[in-house]
Amino acid sequence: DAMVIQNPRYQVTQFGKPVTLSCSQTLNHNVMYWYQQKSSQAPKLLFHYYDKDFNNEADTPDNFQSRRPNTSFCFLDIRSPGLGDAAMYLCATSRGSGFNLSGANVLTFGAGSRLTVL
Amino acid sequence: KNQVEQSPQSLIILEGKNCTLQCNYTVSPFSNLRWYKQDTGRGPVSLTIMTFSENTKSNGRYTATLDADTKQSSLHITASQLSDSASYICVVSDSWGKLQFGAGTQVVVTP
Repeated sequence: DAMVIQNPRYQVTQFGKPVTLSCSQTLNHNVMYWYQQKSSQAPKLLFHYYDKDFNNEADTPDNFQSRRPNTSFCFLDIRSPGLGDAAMYLCATSRGSGFNLSGANVLTFGAGSRLTVL
Repeated sequence: KNQVEQSPQSLIILEGKNCTLQCNYTVSPFSNLRWYKQDTGRGPVSLTIMTFSENTKSNGRYTATLDADTKQSSLHITASQLSDSASYICVVSDSWGKLQFGAGTQVVVTP
């Protein structure tokens, strides 16, 4: 089945130790997103790629970086995790970003990667 | 201020009963509204999506309504099952594709 797969599902790291989360998709969607979701809160968009074009949200900390080496894969790098970065990280894809395409930006989410920082 | 407000924040219902969740939004210009179901520890899964011209859309026991004039939407769960226990998130898209997420309503269905 076409899907969005995130690895690892659970990641435990030490304060300041770099972490990389991965996301792969078989939907051939051209847009990929990374969201951060803390307990009982709405997902917060960190950045997204439209094809190879990287779009960073203004309030995304520099500590968060992303790479998209090809259409299928996207990585989230947290350079120096702090206690406040403990959260669920959600990867999502869509076939478009919504410009004049109603419903084109319907997101398909992965199962998430739960990050714990000790 | 969040442009998508959901209520209640949480609710507990007995198995077999119905419930209605609310979503009010101020997103403009409006493009579409979707409801997602998020099981604990999982990613959100799309239930319905509605555009400006659609008033009602059903997906099994889930029925979503949209009033674009008052900028309100509701999600009705009929004959609730234990598997309906989850967070239900309202997401509104503007015409440029920017998404605004609600904080979700946590539903607990008890036997």
